[in-house]
Amino acid sequence: DSGVTQTPKHLITATGQRVTLRCSPRSGDLSVYWYQQSLDQGLQFLIQYYNGEERAKGNILERFSAQQFPDLHSELNLSSLELGDSALYFCASSVEGRVDTQYFGPGTRLTVL
Amino acid sequence: DAKTTQPPSMDCAEGRAANLPCNHSTISGNEYVYWYRQIHSQGPQYIIHGLKNNETNEMASLIITEDRKSSTLILPHATLRDTAVYYCIVRVVFAGGKLIFGQGTELSVKP
Repeated sequence: DSGVTQTPKHLITATGQRVTLRCSPRSGDLSVYWYQQSLDQGLQFLIQYYNGEERAKGNILERFSAQQFPDLHSELNLSSLELGDSALYFCASSVEGRVDTQYFGPGTRLTVL
Repeated sequence: DAKTTQPPSMDCAEGRAANLPCNHSTISGNEYVYWYRQIHSQGPQYIIHGLKNNETNEMASLIITEDRKSSTLILPHATLRDTAVYYCIVRVVFAGGKLIFGQGTELSVKP
C-alpha cells in the first residue's frame, strides 16, 4: 500500500460524458501527478500539481483538466469522452524536492462505451 | 532525458536471482538511473535509483557499469510476486515531475 488513494476504482460511462477522478496523496506530500496508461500508448504523464499550483504539463488533452485543492487532494476531469479515453488513470505523489521518487495509487479504470 | 533499451521479456526461476539489464549509452553526467516496476494493472512502484555507485536496498540491488552506459537490476531471490513489468528510467533529479516510462521488461518468475 503506497498511501495514495484513488476513487473510484472502476468507472464505466458513455461517449460524450464527463467524469471526475479523485486522488488523495500520501500524508505530507505536496506534489500530485496524473498518468494515463492505455494499451497502445503505455504510461504517459499528464500533469503535475504542487501545493495547488500547476507545475508541469505533459500530453494532456484540452478536454482534460485537473486541479489540486487546499487539502492537497486532486481531481482529474475528463469531458467529451471518446472511446480512446478508455484507460487506467494513475495518480502519484512525492515528497517536496523528490519528484523522481513517486508513489503511485492503485488507479482508476475508465471504460468508455 | 537519455533513452533506455531493455529486453521486452525475461524468465526467471523462483528462488534464483533475476538480473534485468538496461542500456543507456547516451546518459549524461547528471542523470540518475531509476527502476520502477508495475505488477499487473497496479500502480508502478519505485524500487531503487543510483548515479554511479552500486546501490542496495531491501528490494533489490542496482549495479551501474563504470562508464555508466548500462546497468543491471538484481532481485536476489525472485518470488512469484516479483512477476511484473520492470522499467528503467534515466533522468536528472530536479528536471521536473515527469517520469518517462518506456516499454520495460516483462519478468515472469516461474515455479
